[in-house]
Amino acid sequence: DVKVTQSSRYLVKRTGEKVFLECVQDMDHENMFWYRQDPGLGLRLIYFSYDVKMKEKGDIPEGYSVSREKKERFSLILESASTSQTSMYLCASSSSQGLTSTDTQYFGPGTRLTVL
Amino acid sequence: AQSVTQPDIHITVSEGASLELRCNYSYGATPYLFWYVQSPGQGLQLLLKYFSGDTLVQGIKGFEAEFKRSQSSFNLRKPSVHWSDAAEYFCAAGLSFGAGTTVTVRA
Repeated sequence: DVKVTQSSRYLVKRTGEKVFLECVQDMDHENMFWYRQDPGLGLRLIYFSYDVKMKEKGDIPEGYSVSREKKERFSLILESASTSQTSMYLCASSSSQGLTSTDTQYFGPGTRLTVL
Repeated sequence: AQSVTQPDIHITVSEGASLELRCNYSYGATPYLFWYVQSPGQGLQLLLKYFSGDTLVQGIKGFEAEFKRSQSSFNLRKPSVHWSDAAEYFCAAGLSFGAGTTVTVRA
């Protein structure tokens, strides 16, 4: 079974702090994704990566950055956390030959981040 | 830009009754379509997907969905709902997700 793990299930941070969310997948998938999930808005794509050291902006990248130094690991960084970034963050991975949205995504359990 | 609409925010259904969840998409070409389910406290799990071919696709847990190009729809159905089907359901077209439909199952 594909396994996508996220470093924390719950996280509480203060405004202005730098926050790291870590995601690891064990299936050698090329593509990795970060979404945020908010009630009534569904999932919104923040960033994705289709290869090591490659990244692409999603629909809502403002206030976030990402890092992919190894194929299995994709980190989401909040440079200066704000209360508007309180949300559920979901990581996903998928396999494909190149960047494509065609393949099934496998999701981690999510990190619920609260910024005070 | 592509978008996905799930018109129903919340549906309540009796156990054993049929269920249909609606999904409409706006996309330049025929998209790759997915339905995912999220149980409380869990990540999303794929129920089924449509890429091409037969427009009626079967998924896990007894779910099926029908792609209708003329209506830009990809509705999810289950003939007889079980209490364990209570969850949030998301339709996706490519990397765009709908807002989700919460399903409550009453005994």
